[in-house]
Amino acid sequence: EVQLVESGGGLVQPGGSLRLSCAASGFTFSDHYMDWVRQAPGKGLEWLGRARDKVHSYTTEYAASVKGRFTISRDDSESSLYLQMDSLKTEDTAVYYCVRLSRAGSPPYYYYAMDVWGQGTTVTVSS
Amino acid sequence: DIQMTQSPSSLSASVGDRVTITCRASQSISNYLNWYQQKPGKAPKFLIYAASSLQSGVPSRFSGSGSGTDFTLTISGLQPEDFATYYCQQSYNNVWTFGQGTKVEI
Repeated sequence: EVQLVESGGGLVQPGGSLRLSCAASGFTFSDHYMDWVRQAPGKGLEWLGRARDKVHSYTTEYAASVKGRFTISRDDSESSLYLQMDSLKTEDTAVYYCVRLSRAGSPPYYYYAMDVWGQGTTVTVSS
Repeated sequence: DIQMTQSPSSLSASVGDRVTITCRASQSISNYLNWYQQKPGKAPKFLIYAASSLQSGVPSRFSGSGSGTDFTLTISGLQPEDFATYYCQQSYNNVWTFGQGTKVEI
């Protein structure tokens, strides 16, 4: 069974740090780009960033709202994705999802989409 | 960043209805547009990619169309399990963005 399981969420004070983990199973993790997406209470989905695969040098992308504060990394040997969150703000309170990207189409027209989602882990930033 | 705007924000419908949700991009995104469904307390589910291609296993009552800046998601013959929030999302550039969501309720 293809599965993503997030962990590491919890309560943290403003200005603090937290590291989320995502354990993947049931597929070849190293073949896929991986993203993080969050959802604040009662709000919509917000894309946070991406870690590409080894073929693409593990390069990363970030949303402007988290760039410079959040760092995405991956360990293919452990089939794991990470989100290091520093300088946390109250507005970072959300459910954080680990997401797998899959690709469809033929070169040069590839289409990427988030086809597998974890169950989410909750981060609360509050004093 | 490319802004994605969905309309309406919510709609009321009945089982069997045909429902259409619109998504507009702030610039042309060709057909790099995905749709997701989310039910309360659950992770989103992937429905459609490339604006109109149905993900495997998604019922054929779901369809998508559009190109450039204007896109639609249509549910033909709404079923009880379709009551949820739907999000569009652009994959045109390296920084992805979602629409604000459309809640389909009874």
